[in-house]
Amino acid sequence: NAGVMQNPRHLVRRRGQEARLRCSPMKGHSHVYWYRQLPEEGLKFMVYLQKENIIDESGMPKERFSAEFPKEGPSILRIQQVVRGDSAAYFCASSGGAMNTEAFFGQGTRLTVV
Amino acid sequence: GENVEQHPSTLSVQEGDSAVIKCTYSDSASNYFPWYKQELGKGPQLIIDIRSNVGEKKDQRIAVTLNKTAKHFSLHITETQPEDSAVYFCAVQTGANNLFFGTGTRLTVIP
Repeated sequence: NAGVMQNPRHLVRRRGQEARLRCSPMKGHSHVYWYRQLPEEGLKFMVYLQKENIIDESGMPKERFSAEFPKEGPSILRIQQVVRGDSAAYFCASSGGAMNTEAFFGQGTRLTVV
Repeated sequence: GENVEQHPSTLSVQEGDSAVIKCTYSDSASNYFPWYKQELGKGPQLIIDIRSNVGEKKDQRIAVTLNKTAKHFSLHITETQPEDSAVYFCAVQTGANNLFFGTGTRLTVIP
């Protein structure tokens, strides 16, 4: 039973380019959360999605950032026109339900903007 | 949103001693409290969790206690080993909302 799969593990982008981060949840999970982590810091919530729906995007910047979780395929976190400050590790987690359900994390995508 | 505070930020213990990490939260409706361990370069790993209808839960050397009245919960690691060295995060969930994380505790177990 594969865990949460994120790809790529490492992503380098030049300023102004687009970054696409993918997250395949655990089998049977329909809830996905995206978090951002700066070095030596905690996990900052960005967005919570269920299949085809954004439930809570209160932690995601309104400009340049978007997320989706289509009926088929992985969840995508998209960052347009990246800037140096977007450099961070981005983690996704998945769970099988909305309430009191274990959430499991992927290994993260480390984005470096040069 | 939920406000989660975690202490201490760093903790060093001798191998074999116990380690305790504490978290407080603000929303009395919170009902799910997991703990995660994050090793360098890896994603957070769920190590234990507790729900609001339980006061304590134990899994081998790891235990979690919950005081809903005081709105705090703690992670206890006994007989610590060098491989326990990592960053530990507490988290809180309220109903069907997302998980809010503490700021992390860097635990170092000295051989």
